[in-house]
Amino acid sequence: GAGVSQTPSNKVTEKGKYVELRCDPISGHTALYWYRQSLGQGPEFLIYFQGTGAADDSGLPNDRFFAVRPEGSVSTLKIQRTERGDSAVYLCASSEQGGETQYFGPGTRLLVL
Amino acid sequence: AQKITQTQPGMFVQEKEAVTLDCTYDTSDQSYGLFWYKQPSSGEMIFLIYQGSYDEQNATEGRYSLNFQKARKSANLVISASQLGDSAMYFCAMREGLVDKIIFGKGTRLHILP
Repeated sequence: GAGVSQTPSNKVTEKGKYVELRCDPISGHTALYWYRQSLGQGPEFLIYFQGTGAADDSGLPNDRFFAVRPEGSVSTLKIQRTERGDSAVYLCASSEQGGETQYFGPGTRLLVL
Repeated sequence: AQKITQTQPGMFVQEKEAVTLDCTYDTSDQSYGLFWYKQPSSGEMIFLIYQGSYDEQNATEGRYSLNFQKARKSANLVISASQLGDSAMYFCAMREGLVDKIIFGKGTRLHILP
């Protein structure tokens, strides 16, 4: 079956611009996660959705970052007033309800110039 | 204190040899889960193996096994009969208690030599 998909695969933007990153989870997976991976580091948790609601957004670095999942499937991570420090790979993962394993998408490489 | 520690930033191993990637973890929860993921140069995170804290047997998945030593808080990944395609970054990770987010280590870059 289809895995987690993320679009775009690469995004280049200028400092101060707004960007949206999309995640399409595995069909039927109710849990969705966003992580950020900086160069040479492991992924760091940003936010977790169970269904439509954000169950844990403790990893969002500041109020420039926001994520939605209005219909409990596709999610969009939104970054306002981007900064060079936001440059990273943004990974999305999904899991079954009660499932232990998170399955990751290929990521979106964001570069802020 | 780091929750997940991977002390080997890089390793070089001859093809067909077994390799052990080290991971220690730190938690005060009794219920937790441990994971290993592989990240090739293409960037995707590939799930390899999972061990629950209450599982008495070490987890195995094909050529991968997790050497779980609870008292030592150690969860080493063992890859048997390594192959060139095993060259990648490997991350150890943990889920604590009922929290769903995963905490990752810094990773170990494994190079398999022909």
